[in-house]
Amino acid sequence: NSKVIQTPRYLVKGQGQKAKMRCIPEKGHPVVFWYQQNKNNEFKFLINFQNQEVLQQIDMTEKRFSAECPSNSPCSLEIQSSEAGDSALYLCASSRDRYAEQFFGPGTRLTVL
Amino acid sequence: GDQVEQSPSALSLHEGTGSALRCNFTTTMRAVQWFQQNSRGSLINLFYLASGTKENGRLKSTFNSKESYSTLHIRDAQLEDSGTYFCAAEAGNYQLIWGSGTKLIIKP
Repeated sequence: NSKVIQTPRYLVKGQGQKAKMRCIPEKGHPVVFWYQQNKNNEFKFLINFQNQEVLQQIDMTEKRFSAECPSNSPCSLEIQSSEAGDSALYLCASSRDRYAEQFFGPGTRLTVL
Repeated sequence: GDQVEQSPSALSLHEGTGSALRCNFTTTMRAVQWFQQNSRGSLINLFYLASGTKENGRLKSTFNSKESYSTLHIRDAQLEDSGTYFCAAEAGNYQLIWGSGTKLIIKP
């Protein structure tokens, strides 16, 4: 089904620590999305890119979260100072266009102790 | 803001039977996707529709953008169909707006 690669699958951090996760989109997909799924199955959009440029991001992302999609390197999402409320499944998706089917990686499950 | 109302929240079916899931949208959506999320958290793409009806094996999905709803029909349910099903719709800003999910349990 999907060829999006996400690493690591599991990440455990203490409060205040940095947490970094990576995503390799499907070949030929210039658009990348990051979503957060909490334990109540609620999805929250975080940020998206087209190639290396940010298209949109939410306020939360602008403060403690940083993300990038450098040329010829995996995309990454980093939480600068993890909080307990950041514990969630972080999902990366890629698509061939801004309005097109999105394909998801297996996710990084972050636990903040 | 834009919302997606998904029902039912949980569904239990015996093998070989079928049912339908539904998502209602509070605003006009460009397209809808349906996913199955397995126990490991992986999202499996089932359908992507900008309009009309698509069928794939025992699954069929319809998207009516004018009346703002989408359905996913499952027939002849099998044990491997168990999981949580989500609809997610494209609004006007590239993001997906997600339903709350339907937890589907298939009983032998």
